[in-house]
Amino acid sequence: DAGITQSPRHKVTETGTPVTLRCHQTENHRYMYWYRQDPGHGLRLIHYSYGVKDTDKGEVSDGYSVSRSKTEDFLLTLESATSSQTSVYFCATSTGNGYTFGSGTRLTVV
Amino acid sequence: QKEVEQNSGPLSVPEGAIASLNCTYSDRGSQSFFWYRQYSGKSPELIMSIYSNGDKEDGRFTAQLNKASQYVSLLIRDSQPSDSATYLCAVKTSNSGYALNFGKGTSLLVTP
Repeated sequence: DAGITQSPRHKVTETGTPVTLRCHQTENHRYMYWYRQDPGHGLRLIHYSYGVKDTDKGEVSDGYSVSRSKTEDFLLTLESATSSQTSVYFCATSTGNGYTFGSGTRLTVV
Repeated sequence: QKEVEQNSGPLSVPEGAIASLNCTYSDRGSQSFFWYRQYSGKSPELIMSIYSNGDKEDGRFTAQLNKASQYVSLLIRDSQPSDSATYLCAVKTSNSGYALNFGKGTSLLVTP
């Protein structure tokens, strides 16, 4: 969806390094979400935001932090990347008529 | 954690047949339900939403909801090879910022 942009699309990083993924939306949606998707687990909620500077933890938040300083940007940070955080990360927004997903970031931790 | 369950498949149907995808959920208070399609390497895309008991039709797709049985289904009529994908059932939570809680998805293969 053109209204949600995730960056980078692909990233390889080393164990122990911090990594920040960015989600940018142009639709002024209040609610934003970060999910990770892994084989055998489906999509799992990491963190969510219900407004600027208003965030909370999801199901699998350990090792992750988020920030939302502007309505349009929701950042996900892996504080010290581990191999278990190798995954595909999706950002989503609640549109009032469903939920729209970004194109995803494929992160590999080596 | 409220559960959303789907058969992982793969479900294989011949071209032109009806594909039936099923989903059960554990939170009896759930009110909003969604079906997403996800092609390999792509992001989930919304097919249908359903909020009331009964059937909702959109083109070749019909969603069915039975809240008493905590059951949601998706029927795809006249299945095409391009329908081959993973179908995700999602239930809107009443907490967690109204995030969607997803099943693990059912893989559908439509054979020519």
